[in-house]
Amino acid sequence: SAVISQKPSRDICQRGTSLTIQCQVDSQVTMMFWYRQQPGQSLTLIATANQGSEATYESGFVIDKFPISRPNLTFSTLTVSNLSPEDSSIYLCSVEKAADTQYFGPGTRLTVL
Amino acid sequence: TQLLEQSPQFLSIQEGENLTVYCNSSSVFSSLQWYRQEPGEGPVLLVTVVTGGEVKKLKRLTFQFGDARKDSSLHITAAQPGDTGLYLCAGAIRTYKYIFGTGTRLKVLA
Repeated sequence: SAVISQKPSRDICQRGTSLTIQCQVDSQVTMMFWYRQQPGQSLTLIATANQGSEATYESGFVIDKFPISRPNLTFSTLTVSNLSPEDSSIYLCSVEKAADTQYFGPGTRLTVL
Repeated sequence: TQLLEQSPQFLSIQEGENLTVYCNSSSVFSSLQWYRQEPGEGPVLLVTVVTGGEVKKLKRLTFQFGDARKDSSLHITAAQPGDTGLYLCAGAIRTYKYIFGTGTRLKVLA
């Protein structure tokens, strides 16, 4: 298994600002994933982050809006830039410790006013 | 666009009842996972099924992967209030790429 922590757990931000979310894992992992969960909805993959290379973004998500860092094998950050109310969501990071076995962090609940 | 449709979307039942949640797609998945998510928390993995036709049991929960690996079901026997939550299926379409289902919100009343 994996223990994943995220910071902050929640935040309220003003339109036009940015929020950086941190994800820390208790063991080294190759890939980390960032998901968005809009209110009452399922999860949508934003990007996958491999240490030492550029993140791979899914269709509809761009690096300018969601820059990601992956400085080492246990840590990643996701920044949500130029915030608008439509960005209000839960943002989740996850890791894959074994094939087809994902573990999720507790999520960061973002509200944009 | 690959979709995983879950049904029902919402389910409210009495304690002790049985229920089945379905997860359907037109796509073939190399594996399928089921998660339960409670408010304020991330999804927690319940099971992964890999082989077409595979059945796995986890206490009162029975998971089945369709023969063609396009669909799956989750059956709960004698539901309890602790089973309340959002149930999500997720299909692996390739290494490191998962599609999540639309979700089934279950409420079990005492």
